[in-house]
Amino acid sequence: DVKVTQSSRYLVKRTGEKVFLECVQDMDHENMFWYRQDPGLGLRLIYFSYDVKMKEKGDIPEGYSVSREKKERFSLILESASTNQTSMYLCASRGTFNGYTFGSGTRLTVV
Amino acid sequence: DAKTTQPNSMESNEEEPVHLPCNHSTISGTDYIHWYRQLPSQGPEYVIHGLTSNVNNRMASLAIAEDRKSSTLILHRATLRDAAVYYCILRDPLNRDDKIIFGKGTRLHILP
Repeated sequence: DVKVTQSSRYLVKRTGEKVFLECVQDMDHENMFWYRQDPGLGLRLIYFSYDVKMKEKGDIPEGYSVSREKKERFSLILESASTNQTSMYLCASRGTFNGYTFGSGTRLTVV
Repeated sequence: DAKTTQPNSMESNEEEPVHLPCNHSTISGTDYIHWYRQLPSQGPEYVIHGLTSNVNNRMASLAIAEDRKSSTLILHRATLRDAAVYYCILRDPLNRDDKIIFGKGTRLHILP
């Protein structure tokens, strides 16, 4: 089975800090995704990548950037964390005809 | 993007079948119908998908209308562990920019 691993389950960061959320998948999938999930707003797509060094904006990219230097790793970067970025962050990957596989999520709190 | 419509919530008794409906009247010919579910405090997990024919797997069955404008996810015998939010999603796997856009889904409550 595909495994998607997010480096941290819980994180607490201070306002203004640079934050890195790491995601690694082990099935050689081309496509990787970052979502955030907030109560009442559901899952929203931040960024996605369909190949190494490629990235595409999702619905809410403001305040975020991403890095895909290796196929298996997709990093989400908060350049200067703010309290409105407190959320659950979910990473996913997929092959062409496969379903998406999600990680367990990182619950980020910005104080 | 083609959209889906699902009821906000549903309730079912334990050990009874559950039929979760989804409408997708603007589905295109290359869209597959996917279902995911999200258990509390977890990321979404894939349940089942289909194109035209009904599909069965160990988790559920998917019944697709002949005109493909609606589908139904069937849990044959609900357990308390099936309490989750269920998402019906359309995907075109040959689209390079294919990405899941989640709606609100259906929150399924299972009564013991």
